[in-house]
Amino acid sequence: DTEVTQTPKHLVMGMTNKKSLKCEQHMGHRAMYWYKQKAKKPPELMFVYSYEKLSINESVPSRFSPECPNSSLLNLHLHALQPEDSALYLCASSLRQGGFAEAFFGQGTRLTVV
Amino acid sequence: GDSVTQMEGPVTLSEEAFLTINCTYTATGYPSLFWYVQYPGEGLQLLLKATKADDKGSNKGFEATYRKETTSFHLEKGSVQVSDSAVYFCALIQNAGNMLTFGGGTRLMVKP
Repeated sequence: DTEVTQTPKHLVMGMTNKKSLKCEQHMGHRAMYWYKQKAKKPPELMFVYSYEKLSINESVPSRFSPECPNSSLLNLHLHALQPEDSALYLCASSLRQGGFAEAFFGQGTRLTVV
Repeated sequence: GDSVTQMEGPVTLSEEAFLTINCTYTATGYPSLFWYVQYPGEGLQLLLKATKADDKGSNKGFEATYRKETTSFHLEKGSVQVSDSAVYFCALIQNAGNMLTFGGGTRLMVKP
């Protein structure tokens, strides 16, 4: 199983809503990542979890709140988002942080903030 | 800091044409290099990788060779298909690094 599964695939939310994105992998990977991708741009790193601990926060606004309940799951809690936060949100995992260990990406959640 | 530069697209080819997408990088040491592909409406898929100089990564008819002397990792395929139409991202990660550095992406369009 080399799959990273993200749910939902599409999400439309209002600026006052609270929602969560979910990501799951069963490859035994100990590093998990959230990326944001705008149209026609490469993915931008948001957060990195290593061994269930947050190791990198790329100065992401607090309206995005990551959570890693266990080694297989990664959530991204969303609250009070802005229309400019509309994007494709990608989850990825790798055996560990750092080189040699390639990252596997999920299919993404297409988020629209209205 | 590290950076990856790709040729700007779109690249438009006819089916069965030869493909080259250029990728050069700036980085200290010996990073690992990757090509990812993103089909319309989907996430990124790892296409191939190379972890040291002169390594050749290959998959699904695509190839790329890690050239330390020219700091390049150009993607090639001898005969493209319509189904290869996608956006291709070149990326690197330092062996002791924490994150992938992506190039800007190159859109490939293959016409029948």
